[in-house]
Parts: sequence; structure tokens; C-alpha cells
Amino acid sequence: AQKITQTQPGMFVQEKEAVTLDCTYDTSDPSYGLFWYKQPSSGEMIFLIYQGSYDQQNATEGRYSLNFQKARKSANLVISASQLGDSAMYFCAMREFSFGNQFYFGTGTSLTVIP
Amino acid sequence: DTEVTQTPKHLVMGMTNKKSLKCEQHMGHRAMYWYKQKAKKPPELMFVYSYEKLSINESVPSRFSPECPNSSLLNLHLHALQPEDSALYLCASSSGTSGRKQETQYFGPGTRLLVL
Repeated sequence: AQKITQTQPGMFVQEKEAVTLDCTYDTSDPSYGLFWYKQPSSGEMIFLIYQGSYDQQNATEGRYSLNFQKARKSANLVISASQLGDSAMYFCAMREFSFGNQFYFGTGTSLTVIP
Repeated sequence: DTEVTQTPKHLVMGMTNKKSLKCEQHMGHRAMYWYKQKAKKPPELMFVYSYEKLSINESVPSRFSPECPNSSLLNLHLHALQPEDSALYLCASSSGTSGRKQETQYFGPGTRLLVL
């Protein structure tokens, strides 16, 4: 089974609007971390936000917030007030802390911000 | 400072060449990673070093040979590559401990490799 599932290959959003990128995960480890990365066309993977399985509150970092629904095993990324520079690939990833150093990546969502 | 550096940025090589990719981090991280990434695809894990020892080798062909000379450096030696090996090669590091935000994996800018 896929550890991380991203079901939106491509998304479009109007500039200044909010957008939600979906991510679901599968693990039996009670201790895990969820990560979102942004990859612009330049290629660098940029860390955006982290959510730990034991964190009581949803993570926020500036315009990024993570809608963490543990029972549903979902960790959706919300980008508020979209900017043209937000156009990029977005990857959701997970690490199971009991099982070593490996990170699992979803297939990614290509976000295009329309002026 | 969350910087991971990689050299070179771009590399073109023939199928008979030998070349090396280099990666460096000075965050005190004890886990270092090599990934291969094709366009519009997620990164594919190749190797993981933990405390300078190879801990994961994802059935990578022997024409790719990793080396971890010390806790800050990671090399990927390339020999007799095939055109299908053309890709973006990403290095990453993480602290190597468990259960905390510091476990975030940080990536370098990557090396774009073209094999002719």
C-alpha cells in the first residue's frame, strides 16, 4: 500500500485566493512526522511545514497551515493568499520515527497560480 | 543555518566517463541521503547513510557508488552510466534522531545530470 497519497496531479488557483492540497497517509507507527515540500522549476526541494503525530495543534508557518485530521489520516496543506511565486510542485512526505531514517513521498501536486 | 550544498550544479557525461557528485552539510546532521528524481515525479531514494554507515541501499545499480568520508560529506561516484540515468540528483540531510521537528530533512539544490 502507498504510504502517502496525493490525489490531485494538478491544481489551479487565482492569485490572492486560498488553496488546499490534499494528502492522506498510511502507517501503523504511532510516532510519525508529516512534511510538506515545495519544488519550483529550479529543482530545489524547499521545506514548508511539519506536523508531528503527537502535536495537539495544527501547524502553521506564515501563509502555510496544515489541516491535520489524525483519525482520517489526512494532512492537507492550506496556502492562503496565493502568490504567483507559489506556482510549483508540492510534495507531502512522512517519516515513521520507530522505523529509521527513511522518508516516504507522495506523487506530488502541480500548483499553478493564475494572475 | 539549514544549508546543504551540492556540486556541480550541472553535469554532462558520456557513458564511459567516471565522475563524482559532492554534497556537504554543516548542521551536525548524522543522516544523509541520495535521491534520484525524474521530471514531474517524486524523489526516489537511492542511499541513506546514518552515522557515516550505509543503512539503506534501495537496490541501486553498481554503476552508482556512494561514499561518506565524514559526517559532513557525502559523495556519489558515477561510472558507466546509461542515458536513462539522466535526472536530477538530490542530496539531503536530517539530524538522525527521532521524534522531533529537528528531524526535518533538508535538501541541497541538486545536480542536473545528462548522460549522452
